[in-house]
Amino acid sequence: AQTVTQSQPEMSVQEAETVTLSCTYDTSESDYYLFWYKQPPSRQMILVIRQEAYKQQNATENRFSVNFQKAAKSFSLKISDSQLGDAAMYFCALCGTSYGKLTFGQGTILTVHP
Amino acid sequence: GAGVSQSPSNKVTEKGKDVELRCDPISGHTALYWYRQRLGQGLEFLIYFQGNSAPDKSGLPSDRFSAERTGESVSTLTIQRTQQEDSAVYLCASSLVPGVAEAFFGQGTRLTVV
Repeated sequence: AQTVTQSQPEMSVQEAETVTLSCTYDTSESDYYLFWYKQPPSRQMILVIRQEAYKQQNATENRFSVNFQKAAKSFSLKISDSQLGDAAMYFCALCGTSYGKLTFGQGTILTVHP
Repeated sequence: GAGVSQSPSNKVTEKGKDVELRCDPISGHTALYWYRQRLGQGLEFLIYFQGNSAPDKSGLPSDRFSAERTGESVSTLTIQRTQQEDSAVYLCASSLVPGVAEAFFGQGTRLTVV
């Protein structure tokens, strides 16, 4: 079985500051993918960043970057220069199957203060 | 279409009634997934379609839940004899290449059972 745990139900950050969201996971698969999704009030799930487990280099997408610690099974998301539009629910997800089934964490609500 | 489309956007039904939720995936996407999101929770996997077959339906919570897909097109999730615990947002996602390519999500159907 695969599990994903997000231990921070809520986080807040000041506009232009940096915030880090935590995620730990467990899987018996040797080959898997990790994701961070953003869900604004519109309910639309938006892919923020993706990491292949076999890659040692941490993924980055503009202001978003991850700290992937494979041995510790940790996958945190860092948001730099936070913007008001970053406010949303963030989900960490794991895909350890060949057919794309995702296992999600419980989510972290991010509030950005002006 | 340009994205994954789900209908209706919102549905209120009386306990005991049957409901049908519809998902139109992105054209050409062979993989289709249904997830359930209870209030304030992460997404729970329900079922996976590859074409019109369902190799993994392990997440369907009871025999009141069923789903079908027409070819590589529309999918319908049916909940019979709805119960209050069925109240949730039901999200559909599709992917061009399961397990490799990004999964794109619809905006979901919010189901309220009264």
